[in-house]
Amino acid sequence: KAGVTQTPRYLIKTRGQQVTLSCSPISGHRSVSWYQQTPGQGLQFLFEYFSETQRNKGNFPGRFSGRQFSNSRSEMNVSTLELGDSALYLCASRSILNTEAFFGQGTRLTVV
Amino acid sequence: QQQVKQSPQSLIVQKGGIPIINCAYENTAFDYFPWYQQFPGKGPALLIAIRPDVSEKKEGRFTISFNKSAKQFSLHIMDSQPGDSATYFCAASKASGTYKYIFGTGTRLKVLA
Repeated sequence: KAGVTQTPRYLIKTRGQQVTLSCSPISGHRSVSWYQQTPGQGLQFLFEYFSETQRNKGNFPGRFSGRQFSNSRSEMNVSTLELGDSALYLCASRSILNTEAFFGQGTRLTVV
Repeated sequence: QQQVKQSPQSLIVQKGGIPIINCAYENTAFDYFPWYQQFPGKGPALLIAIRPDVSEKKEGRFTISFNKSAKQFSLHIMDSQPGDSATYFCAASKASGTYKYIFGTGTRLKVLA
């Protein structure tokens, strides 16, 4: 069974630009969550999607948004990038039958 | 009330030693406590998880001890190996409904050969 796939693995963007990150969950998993990981703030919850609906949102500005498609794949978008958005963005998928969450390898975003 | 406090920040042990990492939570609504292992450049990998109805859970060389009254839980790594050198994160969540992990700040473990 394939794991959680995140693309791209690395991104370099300029301040003010926008970026879209993609996550393909484990087959059969319908819950997808996104986390931001930085050395200073650690792992912080961004949002969770289940059956194309956002169920929960963390304490991030509106520049951070996401969506989920009917095949459970998810995207997150960050608009008007700031230097502080440089981070590892992690996606986790979960089966509706299980509490265990499985993470992808992440997308390393660098804003210059 | 949403915090999970993790200690120590870093830990160095000799091969074969038993590193212990501790976490404390505040929100009594949490009822699912996983531990994740992360190597540089990789995403966190689920190691072991526990629910409050048991006080201890073992999986291979990894053991979670859970103290519900103290709102604390800890990870013990038996017979630690250099390959266990990684960053370990505890987390807390509700087991049902909307799913959101609150992570500890991480412990960087180094096991010396």
